Amino acid sequence: EAAVTQSPRNKVAVTGGKVTLSCNQTNNHNNMYWYRQDTGHGLRLIHYSYGAGSTEKGDIPDGYKASRPSQENFSLILELATPSQTSVYFCASGLGNQDTQYFGPGTRLLVL
Amino acid sequence: QQKVQQSPESLIVPEGGMASLNCTSSDRNVDYFWWYRQHSGKSPKMLMSIFSNGEKEEGRFTVHLNKASLHTSLHIRDSQPSDSALYLCAASRPNTNKVVFGTGTRLQVLP
Repeated sequence: EAAVTQSPRNKVAVTGGKVTLSCNQTNNHNNMYWYRQDTGHGLRLIHYSYGAGSTEKGDIPDGYKASRPSQENFSLILELATPSQTSVYFCASGLGNQDTQYFGPGTRLLVL
Repeated sequence: QQKVQQSPESLIVPEGGMASLNCTSSDRNVDYFWWYRQHSGKSPKMLMSIFSNGEKEEGRFTVHLNKASLHTSLHIRDSQPSDSALYLCAASRPNTNKVVFGTGTRLQVLP
């Protein structure tokens, strides 16, 4: 099974601070995704990537940036964190179009 | 924006019973559906996928798809307490990497 890891697993940040969430996959998947999961909203796509150097906006990109420096790594950056960004963030990877997505264990972010 | 609606929001079934979960897409261009299962405190894991009209069975799990109505359903027979989880439906259009998830059905199987 695909191996996707995330760090940190838990994070407490202050309003206005910068937060970087990291994701690593070791299965040479082309596509990587960042989602947030909130009660009542399910999983919502923030940013995704087709490969190293590419990032695309998802359905809720405002307040987030993404970076894909290599095939294996995909980061989510909150330049100015706000309490509304308190959530559980999942990274996922997939081989190609309409392929199964493999999720990391999640990062629980609390913005005070 | 494409929406994926799931029903019911929550479902309680007795051990050994049948659980039936529903999912409909509002986007007439979708042609691929997934069902993911997420146990409490864990990450989602793909359970089954379907893109052809009809039925697909894997063990105790059966998925139906009606492409005309963009409706898929997941049926779990002989439900076990270990099946208690959040079940997420997802849909995508052809030739795209983007997937839209529903808000999920929370299933509880009582021993």
